[in-house]
Amino acid sequence: GNSVTQMEGPVTLSEEAFLTINCTYTATGYPSLFWYVQYPGEGLQLLLKATKADDKGSNKGFEATYRKETTSFHLEKGSVQVSDSAVYFCALVGVFNGGSQGNLIFGKGTKLSVKP
Amino acid sequence: NAGVTQTPKFQVLKTGQSMTLQCAQDMNHEYMSWYRQDPGMGLRLIHYSVGAGITDQGEVPNGYNVSRSTTEDFPLRLLSAAPSQTSVYFCATGRETSGRSEQYFGPGTRLTVT
Repeated sequence: GNSVTQMEGPVTLSEEAFLTINCTYTATGYPSLFWYVQYPGEGLQLLLKATKADDKGSNKGFEATYRKETTSFHLEKGSVQVSDSAVYFCALVGVFNGGSQGNLIFGKGTKLSVKP
Repeated sequence: NAGVTQTPKFQVLKTGQSMTLQCAQDMNHEYMSWYRQDPGMGLRLIHYSVGAGITDQGEVPNGYNVSRSTTEDFPLRLLSAAPSQTSVYFCATGRETSGRSEQYFGPGTRLTVT
């Protein structure tokens, strides 16, 4: 079945450091891939997405590229800020017989703490 | 335009009690879903709906019931609460039943069962 594996946290970085959070997936066909972010005490919100191979999603300085050859969708940011402290979730929506199954499958989340 | 609202924000129940978690949206989205979030487990799908009158089970449906009588509302019922249902519950909606569009999450309900 479909699944998402992301690096375990927590991850602690200093402000302006480079961030990478690894995400790999298992799925049939060509799933859509997402990164969601959850700030403390809030619900999840979409950070970025990619719907086909080699697409790059980007938002708020974060980027992730859909790599079908390595089944990966790693999240990167060149210079993190204290305000980026949050839990980050990688997710996918599967494809079956040309149609989407419509349900998000999440990784377990990676907590990022950025120190000033 | 409130987006996705959930009530209550916090709830404490005793084992065996029943309750309904409310979810409402004003975005006219067809797709609605309920997740639970537990430490180290990520989010797991409980039930979902692709339109009024249509519901289906997700990954962890046992102990929960849902109904979808209107586009706007998607309540989650716990018939007989158990300590294993202590969790944070999120409702989410989406424009398309395909799920390829963005899904919008409510602020969550933190439930404790003693």
